Amino acid sequence: NAGVTQTPKFQVLKTGQSMTLQCAQDMNHEYMSWYRQDPGMGLRLIHYSVGAGITDQGEVPNGYNVSRSTTEDFPLRLLSAAPSQTSVYFCASSYSRGEVGTGELFFGEGSRLTVL
Amino acid sequence: GNSVTQMEGPVTLSEEAFLTINCTYTATGYPSLFWYVQYPGEGLQLLLKATKADDKGSNKGFEATYRKETTSFHLEKGSVQVSDSAVYFCALRGTGGFKTIFGAGTRLFVKA
Repeated sequence: NAGVTQTPKFQVLKTGQSMTLQCAQDMNHEYMSWYRQDPGMGLRLIHYSVGAGITDQGEVPNGYNVSRSTTEDFPLRLLSAAPSQTSVYFCASSYSRGEVGTGELFFGEGSRLTVL
Repeated sequence: GNSVTQMEGPVTLSEEAFLTINCTYTATGYPSLFWYVQYPGEGLQLLLKATKADDKGSNKGFEATYRKETTSFHLEKGSVQVSDSAVYFCALRGTGGFKTIFGAGTRLFVKA
């Protein structure tokens, strides 16, 4: 039972480099999202998607790009990494229909990114 | 917009002590409320939830009641264990949408 799988778990980048954090879920969830976790700030929503081909911005979208070509995958792209993007990133998914009213999020294990 | 405020930590308790972590929210309509827990080195997992006013969510000895009159969803446990040491997040999902917003998290340390 894989659930939500994130890769890589750890990454070190230099300022200006680009990279993609991968997220895949095998629960047929329509809703997928990316959060960043920083000390004292909880989780902040970066981008989210309510289905294939549909994405929208969250609270802190600048410097990040997403796409949703399949139900299973929701990659997060850092276009030109900056030290301020050093954080732990979590992908999370949930049902959009059928279990309306619950909306429990299922999380990946996280990706720790350091930008030097 | 919607927001969640929870008490700052860390909270340090002895084993078998009573736990309360306060959470209040601001939202229009009738949001769903959640408590998530994050154990060291892991992602978040749902602890309990409540989807309408006066609902009580419960799991693993933890409880929280959805109080619309005070816009609160405080987490309680009667007797904590060392294994409860973790970070606890209060969260809200707004009416008609699926975006979930989180409080800042409260770290709990339980001493043997």
